[in-house]
Amino acid sequence: GAGVSQSPSNKVTEKGKDVELRCDPISGHTALYWYRQSLGQGLEFLIYFQGNSAPDKSGLPSDRFSAERTGGSVSTLTIQRTQQEDSAVYLCASSFQGTNEKLFFGSGTQLSVL
Amino acid sequence: KNQVEQSPQSLIILEGKNCTLQCNYTVSPFSNLRWYKQDTGRGPVSLTIMTFSENTKSNGRYTATLDADTKQSSLHITASQLSDSASYICVVSANVSNTGKLIFGQGTTLQVKP
Repeated sequence: GAGVSQSPSNKVTEKGKDVELRCDPISGHTALYWYRQSLGQGLEFLIYFQGNSAPDKSGLPSDRFSAERTGGSVSTLTIQRTQQEDSAVYLCASSFQGTNEKLFFGSGTQLSVL
Repeated sequence: KNQVEQSPQSLIILEGKNCTLQCNYTVSPFSNLRWYKQDTGRGPVSLTIMTFSENTKSNGRYTATLDADTKQSSLHITASQLSDSASYICVVSANVSNTGKLIFGQGTTLQVKP
């Protein structure tokens, strides 16, 4: 596609439910990143994919968070048993090969856990 | 500890005026430094990327400088426009293979008033 696409743009869920956030990177980009941005805060790194593998998942805050990428394209970030502190904007970005290049960000998914 | 600090936290200027945003970093080993613009409700958009050997780079009315010796960068905005109102984020990439970690500053929120 023309840009990085994320869905849904907004998600409201109840505490304890599982949620899935989707990211469609720019076609041909091998590197994909997930970040979290809490209100008024800077971006917090979650996980980095190179192709379908995740050489750096050190930013995932707990084992409730997981992500996968299939076909070197679409990625899904799953949060299990959501907590109120998970409320944030989840941003996905992609780049052609790696972190030494320009990252292109999606518009994010606003997650609200009630 | 790798850190990126930005100042000021927020800034209000009148349309047509110039302004300069500051970024200090302690990231090693250093790979590159980027400035991003993030409009409210949108993902960040890249303005400039500078490597160790570059000390200035322009993108229209935006000019970024880098002093790798003092580990400081600035973003100068000339003849500001209302559309410049946004958060400006300084991001430093560490030269570590197989890592997705970009170190993000907290951002400077710029408001341009008519």
